[in-house]
Amino acid sequence: GESVGLHLPTLSVQEGDNSIINCAYSNSASDYFIWYKQESGKGPQFIIDIRSNMDKRQGQRVTVLLNKTVKHLSLQIAATQPGDSAVYFCAENVMYSGGGADGLTFGKGTHLIIQP
Amino acid sequence: IAGITQAPTSQILAAGRRMTLRCTQDMRHNAMYWYRQDLGLGLRLIHYSNTAGTTGKGEVPDGYSVSRANTDDFPLTLASAVPSQTSVYFCASSDSGRMWQPQHFGDGTRLSIL
Repeated sequence: GESVGLHLPTLSVQEGDNSIINCAYSNSASDYFIWYKQESGKGPQFIIDIRSNMDKRQGQRVTVLLNKTVKHLSLQIAATQPGDSAVYFCAENVMYSGGGADGLTFGKGTHLIIQP
Repeated sequence: IAGITQAPTSQILAAGRRMTLRCTQDMRHNAMYWYRQDLGLGLRLIHYSNTAGTTGKGEVPDGYSVSRANTDDFPLTLASAVPSQTSVYFCASSDSGRMWQPQHFGDGTRLSIL
């Protein structure tokens, strides 16, 4: 089946630098994408989302870019801080059989490591 | 603080035993979900519920059952646990009555089946 994947399992950046986490998706029918942050021992925490009719969306220190032509999604974190250390997941909206609730298909995650 | 509460936070269980994982949300979200998270496989959907009284199967439903008697609660039951069900289980909810709403997650139940 179609799935969401990530290019890099681990990303190490210097504190204060910008981080870019990439994600490739293959389901052309997906129309809603979400980035989650997961810290050790915690559940996924919503960061930012984007609809397929948008190319870019900005939040506080984060920006999500969507390139539908190549089915690529990225999360940019500005001025990375130690608290940004976590695993980041992209997820896409998929309708499961039976209709109704929108289950999410998750990528396997990228571990962001912040070096002092 | 509004959110999702899961219980227990962790459990060690003998194979063959029955176990119910509890999930309660106070956001009045109509949709709820159960995922399992395994190393190297990310999160996979087990079951979901659009609204109270309805449930559906996700990607990996075998060996699990759910019920949705009311809006707030969505328990997940393992009728006869097997070691392959060792995982971290996350409950989530969303306001699916509105378009483009993200799912919000609890902090998980870490389950070990021996």
